[in-house]
Amino acid sequence: GQGVEQPAKLMSVEGTFARVNCTYSTSGFNGLSWYQQREGQAPVFLSYVVLDGLKDSGHFSTFLSRSNGYSYLLLTELQIKDSASYLCAVRDTNAYKVIFGKGTHLHVLP
Amino acid sequence: GALVYQYPRRTICKSGTSMRMECQAVGFQATSVAWYRQSPQKTFELIALSTVNSAIKYEQNFTQEKFPISHPNLSFSSMTVLNAYLEDRGLYLCGARVGTEDTQYFGPGTRLLVL
Repeated sequence: GQGVEQPAKLMSVEGTFARVNCTYSTSGFNGLSWYQQREGQAPVFLSYVVLDGLKDSGHFSTFLSRSNGYSYLLLTELQIKDSASYLCAVRDTNAYKVIFGKGTHLHVLP
Repeated sequence: GALVYQYPRRTICKSGTSMRMECQAVGFQATSVAWYRQSPQKTFELIALSTVNSAIKYEQNFTQEKFPISHPNLSFSSMTVLNAYLEDRGLYLCGARVGTEDTQYFGPGTRLLVL
């Protein structure tokens, strides 16, 4: 079936890195976005990718492989404050239809 | 900068009653407003998309009869949850988009509790 899948939880250590994976299966593809969401708050936009490859945005980088229906969000030099949920959202070919994953809760350990 | 306000932030209603929530874009004109519900299980669902000069498009499992939406201008949208029941609990988010940008600016959400 169609959908966006992410692991529910991820743990990593302060100062290292974390990779949040996202796989998707949709009828069409018109871009993928990553959002950060803290408990009780609205999602905050991080990145948007539509072409294959790695997009380096400093602390956050995103990778996309359209042929594999796969993306990841890479956080480097982790800080405790990076602990949050990270949502993957795929825009279907129907221009404004966006399908969200359930999010991956990242816990950064000291 | 672009800001999106939602009101109320939290509301409690009795089962079978209705409640209205509002979304206000400040500092920009939203060409489209999408309403989402994030359930207690964290599932993110698109309820409907309202685009300027187009009819409001509801997703499967959501209807105008249950979630009527008003989008009178480029800065404001409201949605009502009619005849609310337990399964309607969750965080209702509005996402406003500018032009053809992919970025959606989310409001802080309206948390609905149904007793």
